[in-house]
Amino acid sequence: ETGVTQSPTHLIKTRGQQVTLRCSSQSGHNTVSWYQQALGQGPQFIFQYYREEENGRGNFPPRFSGLQFPNYSSELNVNALELDDSALYLCASSLEGERPQHFGDGTRLSIL
Amino acid sequence: AQKITQTQPGMFVQEKEAVTLDCTYDTSDPSYGLFWYKQPSSGEMIFLIYQGSYDQQNATEGRYSLNFQKARKSANLVISASQLGDSAMYFCAMRERNQGGKLIFGQGTELSVKP
Repeated sequence: ETGVTQSPTHLIKTRGQQVTLRCSSQSGHNTVSWYQQALGQGPQFIFQYYREEENGRGNFPPRFSGLQFPNYSSELNVNALELDDSALYLCASSLEGERPQHFGDGTRLSIL
Repeated sequence: AQKITQTQPGMFVQEKEAVTLDCTYDTSDPSYGLFWYKQPSSGEMIFLIYQGSYDQQNATEGRYSLNFQKARKSANLVISASQLGDSAMYFCAMRERNQGGKLIFGQGTELSVKP
């Protein structure tokens, strides 16, 4: 059984640029959630996708957007990057109704 | 208001001893779930244990147990027989039924196991 995989592992961008982070969900999981974890903090919910539709969103501006594909993989897009966007971005997948969300190793994004 | 509160930024425990990590929560939803995750320095979040609000018994998973006191809104994690590999950040999280799949995390507790 393949777990949740995220790419890239690390990324460095400059202010104003755009970035796309990718996530492959665990086999059979149809729900993907994205979280932002700033240094020294707990993860913050960005949004969730279920069957290619956004199914809940946290307190993040519209420049954070996402997609889910028919194979349930997902992308997180962030436009007009700001210094505060520097964080670990975590993707988690689950089967709807199943309790635990299984996380990937994350993408460390640094904004210069 | 904080929905998940972890009051211990850091904890030390001697190898082979038990340790309790505190977590209190706040919700008005009668149906919710409580989770504990472990995050090593590598960054991955590892699911440890789950407790549903309607579960009658405290959850246990190997060396992990959850001391669930519903009236006090606490969900403390107990790790028995600590091992050096238990050194990591530990996060308590809650999912409310009316919030779909959104997990709300606490600030975390950094556990250090001493040999």
